[in-house]
Amino acid sequence: GENVGLHLPTLSVQEGDNSIINCAYSNSASDYFIWYKQESGKGPQFIIDIRSNMDKRQGQRVTVLLNKTVKHLSLQIAATQPGDSAVYFCAERSGSARQLTFGSGTQLTVLP
Amino acid sequence: ETGVTQSPTHLIKTRGQQVTLRCSSQSGHNTVSWYQQALGQGPQFIFQYYREEENGRGNFPPRFSGLQFPNYSSELNVNALELDDSALYLCASSLGGNSYNEQFFGPGTRLTVL
Repeated sequence: GENVGLHLPTLSVQEGDNSIINCAYSNSASDYFIWYKQESGKGPQFIIDIRSNMDKRQGQRVTVLLNKTVKHLSLQIAATQPGDSAVYFCAERSGSARQLTFGSGTQLTVLP
Repeated sequence: ETGVTQSPTHLIKTRGQQVTLRCSSQSGHNTVSWYQQALGQGPQFIFQYYREEENGRGNFPPRFSGLQFPNYSSELNVNALELDDSALYLCASSLGGNSYNEQFFGPGTRLTVL
């Protein structure tokens, strides 16, 4: 069936380095993608989104890249900080209710 | 904080019981979506309510039901609880039932079924 998945379940980076979190999706009908950050005990928090008619979008310290040819999404975090430690989910939006389909998440750990 | 609140924070039930979870949406939002998040997994869409009517449903059995009230707050009801229903239940509010508007998530209700 259609699903959104992640390549790596865990990622450890040194403070100050750049982080790259990857995601594969399989629903070609999805036209909107979102990255969420989830800290322990909290709900997912919106980071950045991108529509399928774009291939790159930048925010504050974050960049999302979309490659529709290979159905791949990535989140780049520049100058990773300890506060960036969390689980990161990619999600795609599709369906009549525009519901979100989430991947299983990547645990990002920032080392001092 | 997103302005979306959920109650209770934690809940323990036994198999076969029924549970009601509550969600207050962000001011001005008319759409509420419910998600189930098992430990170590991403959230899974249960259903969505838009202006008091169900607007879409995921792959969950009928014992998962919901309501949305005129003030756009919402309830998730689960009957005949099973052990696998143990999870974090998230609600998310947004404006519009069919748009690119961002969904704002609440902190969730942690349900444990014994």
